[in-house]
Amino acid sequence: QVQLQESGPGLVKPSETLSLTCTVSGDSISTYYWSWIRQPPGKGLEWIGYINYSGSTNYNPSLKSRVTISVDTSKNQFSLKLNSVTAADTAVYYCARRVAAGTLLGRTYYGMDVWGQGTKVTVSS
Amino acid sequence: DIQMTQSPSSLSASVGDRVTITCRASQSISSYLNWYQQKPGKAPKLLIYAASSLQGGVPSRFSGSGSGTDFTLAISSLQPEDCATYYCQQSYTIPLTFGGGTKVEIK
Repeated sequence: QVQLQESGPGLVKPSETLSLTCTVSGDSISTYYWSWIRQPPGKGLEWIGYINYSGSTNYNPSLKSRVTISVDTSKNQFSLKLNSVTAADTAVYYCARRVAAGTLLGRTYYGMDVWGQGTKVTVSS
Repeated sequence: DIQMTQSPSSLSASVGDRVTITCRASQSISSYLNWYQQKPGKAPKLLIYAASSLQGGVPSRFSGSGSGTDFTLAISSLQPEDCATYYCQQSYTIPLTFGGGTKVEIK
C-alpha cells in the first residue's frame, strides 16, 4: 500500500523559504512522477510542479521563478522549496503520485492517484 | 493556461437524487479530464480519468462524460457519503489546472 507523508515547518516568515519533504513508502520513487499541489484556505487546488526519479521537472509558470523540486532516491523522498514567500503562499501543501491511469485508443491518460494527508503552512511574522 | 470552469459552485440535493456537475475548458482538451472528490479536511481522491473511465474502487454510481471543452460528472443516486467538493482537472498540457470546485450537500 503506497503512502505519502509531507513534513516540514508549519510556520514560515515572509520573504523566507518554505521547505517541505514528501516521504514515499510502499513504492519506489524511481517509478512515476511525483507532484506538489497546494490549496489556500477555503479555496481550490493549484498544481505547483512535478519531478521524476532522474530529476526531470515541470513547474507551474506562475511559480517557476520561486520553486525548486528535487528528489533523493536514496531516501525515497522528494522535496519542495518555495522562496520569497508572502501571505499568499499560506496553504495546505499536498504531495501526490502521478500515474498513467489508463491507456485508451493508443493515448495514455495521467492522474494523481495517491495523495499525502497534506501539511498546513502559514506565512506570518 | 487552460482555464477550467465548473458549475454550479454548490448544490443541495436529496439522498437518491441524480446529480450532475459541469466542467468547461477554455480550449479543447480532448478527453484529458480528471475528476476528484475532496471531503473536508482530507486530500482529494481520483474518481475518474480520461473523462469517463472510473478509477478502481470508485462506486459505479459515479460516471463521467464529454470531450473537447464540455464535460459532466454525474452521481446517479446521491448517498450521504458523497457530501464533498468535486474538482475537475485537465491533464492535456502544462500547467495542470483545476476547476474551482463544486460543493455537494445533502438536503
